[in-house]
Amino acid sequence: GAGVSQSPRYKVAKRGQDVALRCDPISGHVSLFWYQQALGQGPEFLTYFQNEAQLDKSGLPSDRFFAERPEGSVSTLKIQRTQQEDSAVYLCASSLATGRTGTIYGYTFGSGTRLTVV
Amino acid sequence: AQKVTQAQTEISVVEKEDVTLDCVYETRDTTYYLFWYKQPPSGELVFLIRRNSFDEQNEISGRYSWNFQKSTSSFNFTITASQVVDSAVYFCALRPSGSARQLTFGSGTQLTVLP
Repeated sequence: GAGVSQSPRYKVAKRGQDVALRCDPISGHVSLFWYQQALGQGPEFLTYFQNEAQLDKSGLPSDRFFAERPEGSVSTLKIQRTQQEDSAVYLCASSLATGRTGTIYGYTFGSGTRLTVV
Repeated sequence: AQKVTQAQTEISVVEKEDVTLDCVYETRDTTYYLFWYKQPPSGELVFLIRRNSFDEQNEISGRYSWNFQKSTSSFNFTITASQVVDSAVYFCALRPSGSARQLTFGSGTQLTVLP
């Protein structure tokens, strides 16, 4: 597609509920990132994929967070047993290149999914 | 470890004024990349500029200009003759050139341009 698409745009979950957030990157983009943005803060890194391989998950805050990209395109971020502190905007970004030259192309961000846990 | 500091939480200016957004960074890497993004109310992060640490030349793009000072670890962003449409949150971000490919963001500056 023309841009990075994320769905749903808004999600309200009851505490303890599982949620799944979807990211559809730009076609052909090898790298895919998930970020968490709390209210009034900058985005914070969660995890990174190169094709279907999850190369870095150091930013995932707990084992309740899980991400996958099974076919190297669409990615899903799953949060189990949601807690109120999980309330945030979850941003997905994709990038064309694979190596250090990835920065030459920059990162294209989606509009995010705003998760509210009540 | 990487760190980006945007000390200005909120700035308000009147249309047509010039405004500078400050960004100070910390990194142990000798080579790295710096970015500025704009986040309008719609939430999407819009890419503005990328600068690598080898290039300290200032850059101008229309009403936007960037001042990169490696000696003071700063990468400031100036909007000349601001417009109401410039109102947004602006983020500065850092990425080292090594294996870690993710961006480290500052906390952002909310710019409000009043008519």
